[in-house]
Amino acid sequence: NAGVTQTPKFQVLKTGQSMTLQCAQDMNHEYMSWYRQDPGMGLRLIHYSVGAGITDQGEVPNGYNVSRSTTEDFPLRLLSAAPSQTSVYFCASSSEGSSYNEQFFGPGTRLTVL
Amino acid sequence: AQSVTQPDIHITVSEGASLELRCNYSYGATPYLFWYVQSPGQGLQLLLKYFSGDTLVQGIKGFEAEFKRSQSSFNLRKPSVHWSDAAEYFCAVGRADGLTFGKGTHLIIQP
Repeated sequence: NAGVTQTPKFQVLKTGQSMTLQCAQDMNHEYMSWYRQDPGMGLRLIHYSVGAGITDQGEVPNGYNVSRSTTEDFPLRLLSAAPSQTSVYFCASSSEGSSYNEQFFGPGTRLTVL
Repeated sequence: AQSVTQPDIHITVSEGASLELRCNYSYGATPYLFWYVQSPGQGLQLLLKYFSGDTLVQGIKGFEAEFKRSQSSFNLRKPSVHWSDAAEYFCAVGRADGLTFGKGTHLIIQP
């Protein structure tokens, strides 16, 4: 099992560019989520999904889009990057469609927006 | 709204000494509580969790935590730290849509 994988590991964007952060899991987990980690802020929930075709907003969804066409994949899209989106992004998954179970985290994507 | 407070931003402990990291939560119902560890440049790994039952929970790497409802606390402990325990530690409370994290405690181990 690879667990939760994320690509790329590092990315530099210019303001206004778009990109997609990839996340995949091979544990057949229903629940997947995206967090951003900023210094001194802990992790904050961006979007989450409780199954294929179902997504919803978390605490800080502005500027990000998600979709969930398969159980395995949960990409995060930045349509027009802004410097405020400079952060480390973590994808996580959990079994049984609930975040009350243990969440398994990917290694993260470090994004810099100039 | 749920919240998690980790009062200590940094803690320095000598190798071999005991450790306690503090966590206080605010949650209306019975909380689902977690401690995660993040090594430099890595993702988060679950150390332990509390859902119900015995208020003293054992985790991996020799860590334990005690849930105290009267104090709204879930402090993490280890009797003897190792240099490899140097990392960032996050306390979190579970909710229906995700986790609410504290801001983290950075643990430094002195030789």
